[in-house]
Amino acid sequence: DQQVKQNSPSLSVQEGRISILNCDYTNSMFDYFLWYKKYPAEGPTFLISISSIKDKNEDGRFTVFLNKSAKHLSLHIVPSQPGDSAVYFCAARKVGGGSQGNLIFGKGTKLSVKP
Amino acid sequence: DTGVSQDPRHKITKRGQNVTFRCDPISEHNRLYWYRQTLGQGPEFLTYFQNEAQLEKSRLLSDRFSAERPKGSFSTLEIQRTEQGDSAMYLCASSLAGYSYNEQFFGPGTRLTVL
Repeated sequence: DQQVKQNSPSLSVQEGRISILNCDYTNSMFDYFLWYKKYPAEGPTFLISISSIKDKNEDGRFTVFLNKSAKHLSLHIVPSQPGDSAVYFCAARKVGGGSQGNLIFGKGTKLSVKP
Repeated sequence: DTGVSQDPRHKITKRGQNVTFRCDPISEHNRLYWYRQTLGQGPEFLTYFQNEAQLEKSRLLSDRFSAERPKGSFSTLEIQRTEQGDSAMYLCASSLAGYSYNEQFFGPGTRLTVL
């Protein structure tokens, strides 16, 4: 039973355009969400996060949107660059209530940004 | 480099052999996590330490797996009597406790191949 779902295994975008990566979750106890980027043969690198008290968080070219009622979040990359080509993982965790904070990951979306 | 380090980066072993991996977290981080990632999947939680105490284990962690974190610094993950199904990337991550909304920083991983 996948609690965090990334339904698009891959996404191809032209350089300079917007990349939108989507993520859905099923556990209403999740209240902190993170995006990680992973290049081949490297560990995941933290990109951006959002807590459930917000609906938007922005960091440079990266913006994460959270829709709690729909249990959906998305990562927008504008403008997309070839160096953004990587696998992007959505992750969620429960904060507080005795949770130790381990992350639940989706399966990832492979983003390819074409020059 | 003050990031999370893991050793070795690659390990090839024969079925039935024991293997041990090491993780050195970011020095001021008191939480340390082990994850496993197989092809086409996101990282899956295995176990978690706060300082030297192992506080949580996943059901994925069979009795052939054991993890330690002596003195609350580096950690080791041992797999006894390896099986071909143990072939995966083993990832270590660390974070600070005391602040709920804090990201986990991952190491480069150890890729295990069991022949």
